[in-house]
Amino acid sequence: SYVLTQPPSVSVAPGKTATITCGGINIGSKSVHWHQQKPGQAPVLVVYEDSDRPSGIPERFSGSNSGNTATLTISRVEAGDEADYYCQVWDRSSDHLVFGGGTKVTVL
Amino acid sequence: QVQLVESGGGVVQPGRSLRLSCAASGFTFSNFGMHWVRQVPGKGLEWVAMIWYDGYERYYADSVKGRFTTSRDNSKNTLYLQMNSLRVEDTAVYFCAKGGNEYVLDSWGQGTLVTVSS
Repeated sequence: SYVLTQPPSVSVAPGKTATITCGGINIGSKSVHWHQQKPGQAPVLVVYEDSDRPSGIPERFSGSNSGNTATLTISRVEAGDEADYYCQVWDRSSDHLVFGGGTKVTVL
Repeated sequence: QVQLVESGGGVVQPGRSLRLSCAASGFTFSNFGMHWVRQVPGKGLEWVAMIWYDGYERYYADSVKGRFTTSRDNSKNTLYLQMNSLRVEDTAVYFCAKGGNEYVLDSWGQGTLVTVSS
């Protein structure tokens, strides 16, 4: 089955840039979506189809996808960005939806 | 706006059954695929099942295939998850989520906790 690999944690100072990677074989050929989950809350979609933002999501959140790595970038990080972030794709070969293991972003 | 409200969670013994519901509002329910996702407290997200907008196709994670069944009633704007032969490892918060283009999960419910314990 298709596997997505994320770093378990990323630490970033306020105002700096956080970069979260999501690795998968030829992931550049798939549409990647990113979800943010704060403690005790449901996930929220922050980036869809590699690089688009739902309404209400700040422009500070951006995404890219190429080759074997998709990336979520959070610019000018704020304390409120502290959360777990999950990448997600649909694997057409198995008709399964797949999540990465999640990355905990800590704002120093 | 989109609202998804899960219900039906609780404590159940191993081997027993439970049915979860997800009441949808704020969008045309019959036009969208729907998903179930679960999360063991403190752990990551695990996809459970998906059903097409018309119920024609359903897909399941290997961990639940043959034990769980998802269905929908488009006249009631409600999604269901029938869980049979429950195991301790099925203990989790269960979320329903609205599907979109490219199988994005674009809206989530708040979740309902299922605890399987003797």
